[in-house]
Amino acid sequence: GAVVSQHPSWVICKSGTSVKIECRSLDFQATTMFWYRQFPKQSLMLMATSNEGSKATYEQGVEKDKFLINHASLTLSTLTVTSAHPEDSSFYICSAKQGGSYNEQFFGPGTRLTVL
Amino acid sequence: ILNVEQSPQSLHVQEGDSTNFTCSFPSSNFYALHWYRWETAKSPEALFVMTLNGDEKKKGRISATLNTKEGYSYLYIKGSQPEDSATYLCAFNTGTASKLTFGTGTRLQVTL
Repeated sequence: GAVVSQHPSWVICKSGTSVKIECRSLDFQATTMFWYRQFPKQSLMLMATSNEGSKATYEQGVEKDKFLINHASLTLSTLTVTSAHPEDSSFYICSAKQGGSYNEQFFGPGTRLTVL
Repeated sequence: ILNVEQSPQSLHVQEGDSTNFTCSFPSSNFYALHWYRWETAKSPEALFVMTLNGDEKKKGRISATLNTKEGYSYLYIKGSQPEDSATYLCAFNTGTASKLTFGTGTRLQVTL
């Protein structure tokens, strides 16, 4: 149980284009999903918290107009990187909270984004 | 800013060796400490959620201890196997609605 999928697993795009990444909870309903970014040799950094049916909460320094998050259902959240630039190249990974205590999160496998 | 540190950064052991690594976190406002195992090209897998000072949890050959007063947790692997090769992450949170703050991980490689 508690499986989270993420698509695509990797994507290469041209500078200026937009890229959408999907995060799905396959066998549970997730009221809250999280989006993280990881740069080489650094820790997972939370970008935003996404609650179903409401606006995402972004961490300090994360541009909400650049990283659009939509959590339209209890099993799907999407992250759209708008007008991507080479500095947005990174590893993006989502997680979903099943409910209950201690903020236990279940992760997708991540998406490697390369912007040329 | 919460600082979670893990050591060592990487570790290379032989099959059958036992090993351990450390996660250090702020000792104030503790709520829970999470351990994950992350194999290449897979999703991070939750190993343990540690909540009480003195807690010790075990899953097969892997166990973890927690000291909230001094702000550290140890992860132990007994009789390492090649399939234990992965990055082990710890994450700290200060409340049920708080975010997880991750360390940079310990990368373990187990060779025959």
